Order: sequence, then C-alpha cells, then structure tokens
Amino acid sequence: AQSVTQLGSHVSVSEGALVLLRCNYSSSVPPYLFWYVQYPNQGLQLLLKYTTGATLVKGINGFEAEFKKSETSFHLTKPSAHMSDAAEYFCAVSGGFNAGGTSYGKLTFGQGTILTVHP
Amino acid sequence: NAGVTQTPKFQVLKTGQSMTLQCAQDMNHNSMYWYRQDPGMGLRLIYYSASEGTTDKGEVPNGYNVSRLNKREFSLRLESAAPSQTSVYFCASRVKAAGGFYGYTFGSGTRLTVV
Repeated sequence: AQSVTQLGSHVSVSEGALVLLRCNYSSSVPPYLFWYVQYPNQGLQLLLKYTTGATLVKGINGFEAEFKKSETSFHLTKPSAHMSDAAEYFCAVSGGFNAGGTSYGKLTFGQGTILTVHP
Repeated sequence: NAGVTQTPKFQVLKTGQSMTLQCAQDMNHNSMYWYRQDPGMGLRLIYYSASEGTTDKGEVPNGYNVSRLNKREFSLRLESAAPSQTSVYFCASRVKAAGGFYGYTFGSGTRLTVV
C-alpha cells in the first residue's frame, strides 16, 4: 500500500521568497517519488522525480526536492518564487513493478497544494 | 507527435447517458492508467492496465468500465453517467526504461460535466 500527504492545501508567498511545499509518503516498497505541476486548465507537467541515487533532485524551473527516507518526506523547494510559479502542485509516489504483487506501478497522488505568489 | 492523446477534450452528458473516453499512446508503453481529478482530492486511479490484455481496478472503479483494445489504446466507459462523475479525466502511460527508471506520460485531460 502507498499513500501521499501534502501538508497545506494552499500556500501563499511573496515574489522572491522561498517556496516550500511539503510532502510525506508511505510505501511498502522502495518508492519512486514525483512532483508534478498543473497550471490552470492544463494537464500535468513533471517537475522532477526521485528513483535511486542522489537524494537531492533538481528539476525544471529552479525547483528541487530532497528525498529523506528517515522522515519519509520529499519536500519541494525553490529559493526565489516567481509570479509564473503560481499553480497547483502534486506530489506522487509509485512503488514500481512488483512481480509477486499488484502494484504495477500505480502512481498515487497527494491532494495537491495551490501555490499563490504575491507581487 | 509522440505522447498520450485523449478524446474528447470536453463533454457534457445528461444523467443516464453513456459515453466512452478514448486514450491512445504511440510510445509503445506497456502500462496505461485512467485517473479522475476532483478539487482537493488530487488524482485518483480509476482503472489500470499493466499490459495488453489485462485490466484491473484502482481506487475508484465504481460506475466505470475499461477496455485495453491493443497496446496503444485504453478506453474508459461510463455506462450510465451520474452527476458524481463530473470531473476531469486523465489518461497516462508508463514505461520501464533500461536503467530501471520509470516515466509517466499524461494526456491533456477530458473535462466531463454530467447534468
């Protein structure tokens, strides 16, 4: 079983301020972790992903996230917010293929966090 | 263009009507998924297909059926639409790359309203 909890359904920051979007997960197998962004009336765009290796992952548009196994967290950060960052952000976890089980790479999403950036 | 194509993009149905949402991918991916997106609930898995010829229920399958017609196509059917099925529907596909990594590709979504 796997699940994702995003802390804070709405986050508001000023332009130029630090962006921190929180994500905690649970997974019965080593997780693959993802952050997606969705702009109004658009589809999902992959920001970054963690599969294996380096725990600090850099993505597009200046975002990065750090996988912390001990804390079961994968928080998304950006040092300086821009107006164009205003969107909804989704954290997701996948348990990968499990030959003996039924995960089959199902991607489980958090509830989403709407980021507002003020001038 | 490579990717996941969903049709239609918008649809309005009356309660009790039926319709099929179409999804096709041209990336030779094995696994395909149908999600619905509702405000404050993220995306929830309706059905998935691990490979051609197989389908299985996800988190919210009630009221839906699916068909994995071939490796490319995975359709979602609403037999008798209900207002609770008003949502945005996303199709996705997944491939396991040579390095063991996984990539997901999403369609642009179908916005369905049931009145």
